[in-house]
Amino acid sequence: AQSVTQLDSHVSVSEGTPVLLRCNYSSSYSPSLFWYVQHPNKGLQLLLKYTSAATLVKGINGFEAEFKKSETSFHLTKPSAHMSDAAEYFCVVSDQRNTPLVFGKGTRLSVIA
Amino acid sequence: KAGVTQTPRYLIKTRGQQVTLSCSPISGHRSVSWYQQTPGQGLQFLFEYFSETQRNKGNFPGRFSGRQFSNSRSEMNVSTLELGDSALYLCASSLEGRWVTYEQYFGPGTRLTVT
Repeated sequence: AQSVTQLDSHVSVSEGTPVLLRCNYSSSYSPSLFWYVQHPNKGLQLLLKYTSAATLVKGINGFEAEFKKSETSFHLTKPSAHMSDAAEYFCVVSDQRNTPLVFGKGTRLSVIA
Repeated sequence: KAGVTQTPRYLIKTRGQQVTLSCSPISGHRSVSWYQQTPGQGLQFLFEYFSETQRNKGNFPGRFSGRQFSNSRSEMNVSTLELGDSALYLCASSLEGRWVTYEQYFGPGTRLTVT
């Protein structure tokens, strides 16, 4: 069965410093992996996706993630945090077509001025 | 292309009442999924519809139901509302992939408050 663990419930960084949000997954097949962002009282927006092409995936707003099969990880990074990045981030896995996506519990990112 | 739309955006109901929420997917998307989001339980999958058929179902009581119309628009219904049903209800649509899982696109959600 597939599952996803976001290792930090809350991450706080200073504006202009790097962001690292950690995600580990469990999957019996070749997974599809996604990162979504949710700003307060809004729906979820897709940041990036991995679907077995390049292992380093670039997304919107300067975010990227690297798929590491040996470590079963899909960590999200950004070189320099901006105040507008403060939000909730969800790591999501799907290992079979037409089965429900499995969401992590989310990581709240705070950016300090 | 227009995004996923959900109506209404906000709703206040009383315990025991029923409610119907509506979702219009992105044009061309035939898969529609519904989620409940609460501070305590996070994002929980309710059900998914594809071509007017429920394809997957989460672990929710029978008070939660849904349907999909021929134009892919979807509705979900909650009967006999309880205080614990207060949540943000999110709808998401996606393309149907023959070999891969496509990403889901989310609507802004309907904020349901049960008093």
